[in-house]
Amino acid sequence: GENVEQHPSTLSVQEGDSAVIKCTYSDSASNYFPWYKQELGKGPQLIIDIRSNVGEKKDQRIAVTLNKTAKHFSLHITETQPEDSAVYFCAATYTDKLIFGTGTRLQVFP
Amino acid sequence: NAGVTQTPKFQVLKTGQSMTLQCAQDMNHNSMYWYRQDPGMGLRLIYYSASEGTTDKGEVPNGYNVSRLNKREFSLRLESAAPSQTSVYFCASRGSYEQYFGPGTRLTVT
Repeated sequence: GENVEQHPSTLSVQEGDSAVIKCTYSDSASNYFPWYKQELGKGPQLIIDIRSNVGEKKDQRIAVTLNKTAKHFSLHITETQPEDSAVYFCAATYTDKLIFGTGTRLQVFP
Repeated sequence: NAGVTQTPKFQVLKTGQSMTLQCAQDMNHNSMYWYRQDPGMGLRLIYYSASEGTTDKGEVPNGYNVSRLNKREFSLRLESAAPSQTSVYFCASRGSYEQYFGPGTRLTVT
């Protein structure tokens, strides 16, 4: 079936450093790629998304890049802060559903 | 706007008991979804409803039933709970592309 692979599963960075999380997807028809941040005990929160007609999108310290040929997309967080510590999920559309990656636990140390 | 709300927040059931998880959204979205989240497995789709009056199975529908009561409400029912259904359950609704999640219900089946 369709799937989304996400790497790494855990990521530790020093405050101020950059963090990169990568995902690959299998369905060439996927056209929407959101990223969610989930804090402990809460529901996933949409932080940024990108559609297939765009290669890169930025929102302050976060950016997402998409390579449709290679079926890769990535989340970039610059100048990380302790409050960026959370689990991050990527997803890709499959018909009218989302297929999620298995998550990356990001820890930002002061 | 409350967004997506879920009740209850926590529930403990004995094996064989039944219960209904409630979900409501106030964003006038057509599509609604039920997911379960287990450690290391990301979010897996149980059932979804593309519009009022329609429901479809997702990746892990066994042991569950759903009802799309009206455009706002989408409930998930466990007829005979099993320990394997211990999980955190999230409801979501979708606008044109973006999915928005509720705060979750933490269910334990003993």
